Amino acid sequence: SQTIHQWPATLVQPVGSPLSLECTVEGTSNPNLYWYRQAAGRGLQLLFYSVGIGQISSEVPQNLSASRPQDRQFILSSKKLLLSDSGFYLCAWGRGTPGKLFFGSGTQLSVL
Amino acid sequence: DAKTTQPPSMDCAEGRAANLPCNHSTISGNEYVYWYRQIHSQGPQYIIHGLKNNETNEMASLIITEDRKSSTLILPHATLRDTAVYYCIVRVGNRDDKIIFGKGTRLHILP
Repeated sequence: SQTIHQWPATLVQPVGSPLSLECTVEGTSNPNLYWYRQAAGRGLQLLFYSVGIGQISSEVPQNLSASRPQDRQFILSSKKLLLSDSGFYLCAWGRGTPGKLFFGSGTQLSVL
Repeated sequence: DAKTTQPPSMDCAEGRAANLPCNHSTISGNEYVYWYRQIHSQGPQYIIHGLKNNETNEMASLIITEDRKSSTLILPHATLRDTAVYYCIVRVGNRDDKIIFGKGTRLHILP
């Protein structure tokens, strides 16, 4: 069966520090991969999605970036965090039935 | 932007059917309707999807109007664990199509 791993579960970082969140999927190949962010009390915002290795589509211009170095690995990064980067970050994968996504457990990021 | 309109919140008594509406008046012929729900502090969970016909699975039923401009998600016997934000999404069934979530409906199940 397929599983998605996302870590860490919680993270507290100072403003200006770097960020690296990792997401890996097991049990499938060539999945679509997604990064979403949810600010407190807000809806889900699509940040990046990828249909293959090295293929990244950015939805929102910001100080975040994403990379897909391996087929089932998706990384969200920042060189310098802003207060506004605080939120709940979710990784998701999809394959087969388009639109049917499976989400990780999320990372709660607090930038102080 | 999301192509769907949902009420911001709804209440439903425990044990009763919860009917969550969604308007998608600009839906195209090749766009599917998907439903997800998000329980607090968790990632969204896929519930059901459909194109034209009504669909049912172990979690819910999806009723799509004949003109496909609206749909209703039905939770037949709501429990307290169904308290969540429910998202209705429309998208084309292409692999490389992005998936945009709207604000959803916050469903409160009342004991």
